[in-house]
Amino acid sequence: AQSVTQLDSQVPVFEEAPVELRCNYSSSVSVYLFWYVQYPNQGLQLLLKYLSGSTLVKGINGFEAEFNKSQTSFHLRKPSVHISDTAEYFCAVSAGAAGNKLTFGGGTRVLVKP
Amino acid sequence: GAGVSQSPSNKVTEKGKDVELRCDPISGHTALYWYRQSLGQGLEFLIYFQGNSAPDKSGLPSDRFSAERTGGSVSTLTIQRTQQEDSAVYLCASSLEAGTDTQYFGPGTRLTVL
Repeated sequence: AQSVTQLDSQVPVFEEAPVELRCNYSSSVSVYLFWYVQYPNQGLQLLLKYLSGSTLVKGINGFEAEFNKSQTSFHLRKPSVHISDTAEYFCAVSAGAAGNKLTFGGGTRVLVKP
Repeated sequence: GAGVSQSPSNKVTEKGKDVELRCDPISGHTALYWYRQSLGQGLEFLIYFQGNSAPDKSGLPSDRFSAERTGGSVSTLTIQRTQQEDSAVYLCASSLEAGTDTQYFGPGTRLTVL
C-alpha cells in the first residue's frame, strides 16, 4: 500500500515570492507521482506528473517538481506566485501497474497575500 | 471538448434515504474512477472501472455503497440507507486508458445527510 504525507497544511506567501510545497510518500513498489490543484468550488486539475525519466518535471502555470527517490519526496515549487495561485494543492501517487487509483496526501492550502 | 460532468451538483437528503450520484465521463475515456473528499478523511479512492473488466471496489467503505457503469460510459454511484458520515463531496474522474494517463476530474457532487 502507498501513503502520502504533505507536511504543511497551510502555507501563507506574499505575491511574487517563491513557494515550496512538501510531499513525501511511502511505497513498496515503484510509483507514479502527481500534483493536483483545486481552486475554490472546483474539481481537481492536474499540475504535473512524474512517470519516469528526468527527475525535474515542469507543469502548467510555472510550477515544477523534483522527484527524489532516495528521500521519497516530490516537492512542488514555483519561483514567483500570483494571487490566482491561491488554492489547495494535493500530492498523489499511484502504483501504476497495480492499478491506477490515486492515493492522495492531506492537501496544502496556499494563501497568496498582496 | 466537454469535460467530466456530474449531477446533481448538490444533494441534501435525510438519514436513511438512498441517493444516486451520476457521472458522465469524457467521451472515449475507458477508465472511470470515484473518489470521496471529506473533512475528516481527505480524498479517498472508492471504485474504479476499466473497460469491460470487473471493477476494483477495494475503496468502498461499506456494502451500502455500490456503483455501476452502463455501456462503458455513464456511471452511477448509489448509497443506500445514508448516514451522516456519508456527507462529503463525491468526485468522479476519467482517463483515456488505465495506466499513466491523466485522470480528469469532474466538479463533484456535494452530499449532505441530515
